[in-house]
Amino acid sequence: QVQLQQSGTELVKPASSVKISCKASGYIFTSNYMHWIRQQPGNGLEWIGWIYPGNGNTKYNQKFDGKATLTAVKSSSTAYMQLSSLTSEDSAVYFCARSGVYYGPYWYFDFWGPGTMVTVSS
Amino acid sequence: DVQMTQSPFNLAASPGESVSINCKASKSISKYLAWYQQKPGKANKLLIYDGSTLQSGIPSRFSGSRSGTDFTLTIRSLEPEDFGLYYCQQHNEYPFTFGSGTKLEIK
Repeated sequence: QVQLQQSGTELVKPASSVKISCKASGYIFTSNYMHWIRQQPGNGLEWIGWIYPGNGNTKYNQKFDGKATLTAVKSSSTAYMQLSSLTSEDSAVYFCARSGVYYGPYWYFDFWGPGTMVTVSS
Repeated sequence: DVQMTQSPFNLAASPGESVSINCKASKSISKYLAWYQQKPGKANKLLIYDGSTLQSGIPSRFSGSRSGTDFTLTIRSLEPEDFGLYYCQQHNEYPFTFGSGTKLEIK
């Protein structure tokens, strides 16, 4: 069965960076898209971007250009998101989520990870 | 960006009742709308995609409909496990955007 396992809670200092992970299992990692989605405390969901692990292609929400960098390691079926120049505004839960291809790519998220909480505080 | 206006913000209902949650897109997104359920300690769950297609494994008491840029999620005969947060998401164009959420509570 499809599973997305995310790394644990992070407490990081302002102006630093953090890299969180999402390990996929139960499907062909390189033939599907991995998305990252942010949920700030008490707020709704924001799409950050996707990576296609098969070729490393990425697409970002302009809002997160320069803030988030998406990478993937095929050998371990793990996707990563690095967040840089952290401020309190970046404190949030970050989800990874899969979308796939069926007669072309689809852009709804059929499997989600449990989320990684990132707290930015001095 | 496509703005998704979701209503109501809160909804209280009893088991066995039916409820509807609405989402209005700020421009045409064709049929490309998804609905998700969010509950504490559980992974978010895809319920409906393409406006009205039920995701595999989701009970048939969930249904989705569309009228132009207005979308509705209907849950018939509420079960106790249906209570939680619900979000819509347009999957028609970049950036993909979500509604602000509806909290479905037990009355």
